[in-house]
Amino acid sequence: DTGVSQDPRHKITKRGQNVTFRCDPISEHNRLYWYRQTLGQGPEFLTYFQNEAQLEKSRLLSDRFSAERPKGSFSTLEIQRTEQGDSAMYLCASSPIKGQGNTEAFFGQGTRLTVV
Amino acid sequence: GQQLNQSPQSMFIQEGEDVSMNCTSSSIFNTWLWYKQDPGEGPVLLIALYKAGELTSNGRLTAQFGITRKDSFLNISASIPSDVGIYFCAGLGHNAGGTSYGKLTFGQGTILTVHP
Repeated sequence: DTGVSQDPRHKITKRGQNVTFRCDPISEHNRLYWYRQTLGQGPEFLTYFQNEAQLEKSRLLSDRFSAERPKGSFSTLEIQRTEQGDSAMYLCASSPIKGQGNTEAFFGQGTRLTVV
Repeated sequence: GQQLNQSPQSMFIQEGEDVSMNCTSSSIFNTWLWYKQDPGEGPVLLIALYKAGELTSNGRLTAQFGITRKDSFLNISASIPSDVGIYFCAGLGHNAGGTSYGKLTFGQGTILTVHP
């Protein structure tokens, strides 16, 4: 399978615990994005990387959230001291950079986080 | 910030009927993408549009990039039961140099139900 891969698919954690999610993008895709989606809503942008550089972070990304892409390949998203409001589907996407800025973002299957 | 209004919020149709949904924005986008999402899965890219006025087809799906660059529509012809799901539009802006911003802005989604 050469699509975007996310791990784990599901995570249940107790409030206050730290969690880390992993995303493996499509090979050769320069850009990697993290989105959060709650029930009944469209995905909301969290952050994105171009190669190793984190180029933009949403105001939704509080200090408890940190994302890394150390070698420009896979990425991790860590949430510290989880809260019940963090319960959501966390989606990763990747895209190549084409001429004139054309780009198509491909999503993984997501990680469903439940904070109890 | 940028807002996307997607309508209708939900549709209940009979198998074989045609479907139309649209997205409008308060801001200009340079790329429009349409995705379909099944429960518990990530969004799957259906169609990408890069030029104002562009009309693109993918099987029974047809999408258009509005002339004003502030709207797009998606049509599904001769619907079948497997068309059931949530359809999202997403817009991407570019800077003056033509390089795309990383952030996709999503609509709220259209829930499609197809009765056999």
